[in-house]
Amino acid sequence: DAKTTQPNSMESNEEEPVHLPCNHSTISGTDYIHWYRQLPSQGPEYVIHGLTSNVNNRMASLAIAEDRKSSTLILHRATLRDAAVYYCILRDGYGGSQGNLIFGKGTKLSVKP
Amino acid sequence: DAMVIQNPRYQVTQFGKPVTLSCSQTLNHNVMYWYQQKSSQAPKLLFHYYDKDFNNEADTPDNFQSRRPNTSFCFLDIRSPGLGDAAMYLCATSRAVDSYYEQYFGPGTRLTVT
Repeated sequence: DAKTTQPNSMESNEEEPVHLPCNHSTISGTDYIHWYRQLPSQGPEYVIHGLTSNVNNRMASLAIAEDRKSSTLILHRATLRDAAVYYCILRDGYGGSQGNLIFGKGTKLSVKP
Repeated sequence: DAMVIQNPRYQVTQFGKPVTLSCSQTLNHNVMYWYQQKSSQAPKLLFHYYDKDFNNEADTPDNFQSRRPNTSFCFLDIRSPGLGDAAMYLCATSRAVDSYYEQYFGPGTRLTVT
């Protein structure tokens, strides 16, 4: 299985940008990069995903390295509500079992007022 | 306007007593998933339904079964719960299994086994 590596934890100050890194050196050409987050006592929530180009949506931005071996989730202005575990997940574009969401340990983001 | 609903939110069962957890969705999605999340661990996929086709993960114990009587509902049956089955059980839906589509999760049912 393609795997990702994320820092165990990060801290941020409220209203400052947050850059959450993810390494995926064994990514294949058909793997999508997905990000989910899980707030305390809630189910995971989709954040964003991309394949090769940088992506923006109302929640965050996803910056993908040119060689696709790493990516960064960017929260432009962290709020207290953004405190969560953030998961970077590779999903094979061909689907099947490799297209499943396989959660790693993720990065626990703390946001200080 | 909840989209993926799980009932109950908290369930207590006795060791060995069968228990059923339920999930319903208002999204009309084709795929429904069940995940198990133990304390301080990441969610782990148990199985999923694509329409009526059941897909079991290789390492899901036989103790866990699922039913999907219609598009909107999916059930997780634990035939003989053990203490090790205490966990949060998460239901998720998706329009299709293709990696392009995101999954929508419910709030989960926390199962306690006494």
